[in-house]
Amino acid sequence: SAVISQKPSRDICQRGTSLTIQCQVDSQVTMMFWYRQQPGQSLTLIATANQGSEATYESGFVIDKFPISRPNLTFSTLTVSNMSPEDSSIYLCSVEEDRYQPQHFGDGTRLSIL
Amino acid sequence: SQQGEEDPQALSIQEGENATMNCSYKTSINNLQWYRQNSGRGLVHLILIRSNEREKHSGRLRVTLDTSKKSSSLLITASRAADTASYFCATDRQGAQKLVFGQGTRLTINP
Repeated sequence: SAVISQKPSRDICQRGTSLTIQCQVDSQVTMMFWYRQQPGQSLTLIATANQGSEATYESGFVIDKFPISRPNLTFSTLTVSNMSPEDSSIYLCSVEEDRYQPQHFGDGTRLSIL
Repeated sequence: SQQGEEDPQALSIQEGENATMNCSYKTSINNLQWYRQNSGRGLVHLILIRSNEREKHSGRLRVTLDTSKKSSSLLITASRAADTASYFCATDRQGAQKLVFGQGTRLTINP
């Protein structure tokens, strides 16, 4: 399966700032996804990162708050903008190599906002 | 909204015992997947079971799927301390290219 590198692994940020999280895959993949996991909770899909076009956002998530880029089939970024303490979560990148394979996840980015 | 509901929310057993976790869902699916997460790290894929399959094995793991009841179970046999983790089911719904995760079961194996 694909090897996924996610950076940074953790960060502590000030309120009102923005942070960009990177997700790099060692092979070309069809689909890339971004999830949020709030403390003690399950995973919630933020958006599907589409190569060459705007990401597809889930209900409750907007591009202004979570801009996503996917310039090619092996790389994507998620920016968490204008952060507040409520954004403190683990953010995870996942990839799907083809429609009949499971999704595989990066190690996640643990984000704390002061 | 989360489609999957898992029970129990937390399970604590002795090493060597078997652990069973259940997952229910609401809509038709293409497949159901089970994942493990250690201490808030990334998820590790365990097993994918397709909608036309009823049972699947991988080592000490056994997954069943009952599409008529919209439910699945994950059995871990001969548990070990290293199995301590949170376990999530995720459904790949028909007509939607995305996973919906259950709330998870926090499993603790006591030595």
